Amino acid sequence: GAVVSQHPSWVICKSGTSVKIECRSLDFQATTMFWYRQFPKQSLMLMATSNEGSKATYEQGVEKDKFLINHASLTLSTLTVTSAHPEDSSFYICSALPLTGGDQPQHFGDGTRLSIL
Amino acid sequence: GENVEQHPSTLSVQEGDSAVIKCTYSDSASNYFPWYKQELGKRPQLIIDIRSNVGEKKDQRIAVTLNKTAKHFSLHITETQPEDSAVYFCAASWGTYKYIFGTGTRLKVLA
Repeated sequence: GAVVSQHPSWVICKSGTSVKIECRSLDFQATTMFWYRQFPKQSLMLMATSNEGSKATYEQGVEKDKFLINHASLTLSTLTVTSAHPEDSSFYICSALPLTGGDQPQHFGDGTRLSIL
Repeated sequence: GENVEQHPSTLSVQEGDSAVIKCTYSDSASNYFPWYKQELGKRPQLIIDIRSNVGEKKDQRIAVTLNKTAKHFSLHITETQPEDSAVYFCAASWGTYKYIFGTGTRLKVLA
């Protein structure tokens, strides 16, 4: 149980392209989803907290107009990297928190490796 | 702001030996402390967690201890095996459910 599906797993595209990444909770509902960015051999850096039906909360230093987050349902959140440039190349991982809340573990997707040429 | 320090950054042990990874958190309101194992290019996977009302938790070869006064928590892996080789992350969480991750420990178990 508690499976999170993230697509696509790998994206290579040209500079200036916008890229959408989907994060779905397959067998549970998630009011809250999180988006992380991970550079090689580094930790997971929280980018934003995505809440169903409301605006995402972005961490300091993360450009909300650059990284658009939509959490339209209890099972789907999307991250769109707009006008991507080589410096946006990274490993992006989502996680989902079950609706029951409380002190529970986040369940992670498999991640999306984004390479901007 | 909130901060989680993790040590060591790399750790090499002989197969069968124990490994200990330590984390320190800054926010005394933190009440949930998960540990994740991440293999190269894969998702972080929860291996054990502990809540603030418990001092120690064990699951087979893995144990976690929590010292709330000192704001320390540690991961202990006994009888290490080559498949334990991975990057381990600690995290601290509180009412917002937001995790603050440690910087990670790259564990190598030498056969």
